[in-house]
Amino acid sequence: RKEVEQDPGPFNVPEGATVAFNCTYSNSASQSFFWYRQDCRKEPKLLMSVYSSGNEDGRFTAQLNRASQYISLLIRDSKLSDSATYLCVVNMNTGGFKTIFGAGTRLFVKA
Amino acid sequence: DAGITQSPRHKVTETGTPVTLRCHQTENHRYMYWYRQDPGHGLRLIHYSYGVKDTDKGEVSDGYSVSRSKTEDFLLTLESATSSQTSVYFCAIGGSLGREDTGELFFGEGSRLTVL
Repeated sequence: RKEVEQDPGPFNVPEGATVAFNCTYSNSASQSFFWYRQDCRKEPKLLMSVYSSGNEDGRFTAQLNRASQYISLLIRDSKLSDSATYLCVVNMNTGGFKTIFGAGTRLFVKA
Repeated sequence: DAGITQSPRHKVTETGTPVTLRCHQTENHRYMYWYRQDPGHGLRLIHYSYGVKDTDKGEVSDGYSVSRSKTEDFLLTLESATSSQTSVYFCAIGGSLGREDTGELFFGEGSRLTVL
């Protein structure tokens, strides 16, 4: 079982739609959580950190459920420019910190 | 944007030849990393560095070596390239390491390597 798992998609949604991605992690020692965005043939860039209390940045909302060991990303009012791959990232402290990337979820937003 | 440049950006080589990828940063960051990205696997850590001449192995280090003689430069070497090393290689700075969770990783633009 992978340490961080994501639905690879692709998710095909029309402009204006709301779309949600989930990510599960296997190690309860995980301590910090992030969503990165990666455009086609580009480098990953931090989209947002994920906090236990949940956090929002404009149209994007991230949630963390430690009991069930999953994190989510909600995108409201999708734009064409949201088309990208979204990477779930977990930092674990297993004696030393380790960063684990999910394989990513592809999103296509259509006009 | 973080000042990270990778070179070369694209390379095609033949099996058995040595290849060196260079990562250069202008952020004076202590921690540097080399990842490879392959379909279905996400980013996987090859090697990392926590200071000049201080390096260690990641999860997929076989067939790779690294060197860091200056803070700003982190070199990844494939001593004898194989087709399984065809991949996109990303250098990064920042992140978490050892006892510290420094948070965000900043990536270079990637180096696309094809081994024929």
